[in-house]
Amino acid sequence: DQQVKQNSPSLSVQEGRISILNCDYTNSMFDYFLWYKKYPAEGPTFLISISSIKDKNEDGRFTVFLNKSAKHLSLHIVPSQPGDSAVYFCAASAVRIQGAQKLVFGQGTRLTINP
Amino acid sequence: DAGVIQSPRHEVTEMGQEVTLRCKPISGHDYLFWYRQTMMRGLELLIYFNNNVPIDDSGMPEDRFSAKMPNASFSTLKIQPSEPRDSAVYFCASSLGGSGRSSYNEQFFGPGTRLTVL
Repeated sequence: DQQVKQNSPSLSVQEGRISILNCDYTNSMFDYFLWYKKYPAEGPTFLISISSIKDKNEDGRFTVFLNKSAKHLSLHIVPSQPGDSAVYFCAASAVRIQGAQKLVFGQGTRLTINP
Repeated sequence: DAGVIQSPRHEVTEMGQEVTLRCKPISGHDYLFWYRQTMMRGLELLIYFNNNVPIDDSGMPEDRFSAKMPNASFSTLKIQPSEPRDSAVYFCASSLGGSGRSSYNEQFFGPGTRLTVL
């Protein structure tokens, strides 16, 4: 039972354009959401997060949007750069129920930025 | 700081053999996590420790899997006996406790151990 789903295994975007990565979740108890980025042969690194009390969080070129009614979040990267080519994992946590440390990850989306 | 250190980086073994994966967390971090990455399921949390004590092992797939943290600077994940379906990349991560249970602190991942069971 996949509680966090990233339905697009891969995405290809032209350099300079906007990249939009999507994530859906099924557990309504999730109240904290994160995106991690992973390069080949390296571990994932934290990118950006959002609490369920917000619907948007921005950090430079990266913005995460949360739509609680649809149980959907998305990561926008604009403008996309070649160095953004990586696998992106969406993750969620039910802080009030299980504590903030227990993360449930999606399957990942491989983003390729074409020059 | 060297970051989270995992060894070995690659492990190839035969079905039925015992496999031990090792992890050294970042000094001062009091949470340690073991994850498994597969194409089908992405990153799955297997178990995590707080101050060397296992807090949640509900992600450990079977009794063949066990994890220990004898001290703050070392943890092992053992698979005995190993099976081909255990082939995956295993990550260790650590984080600070910060304000406690309700406060998320960034998890820092090691480079992973790629396990292949033939």
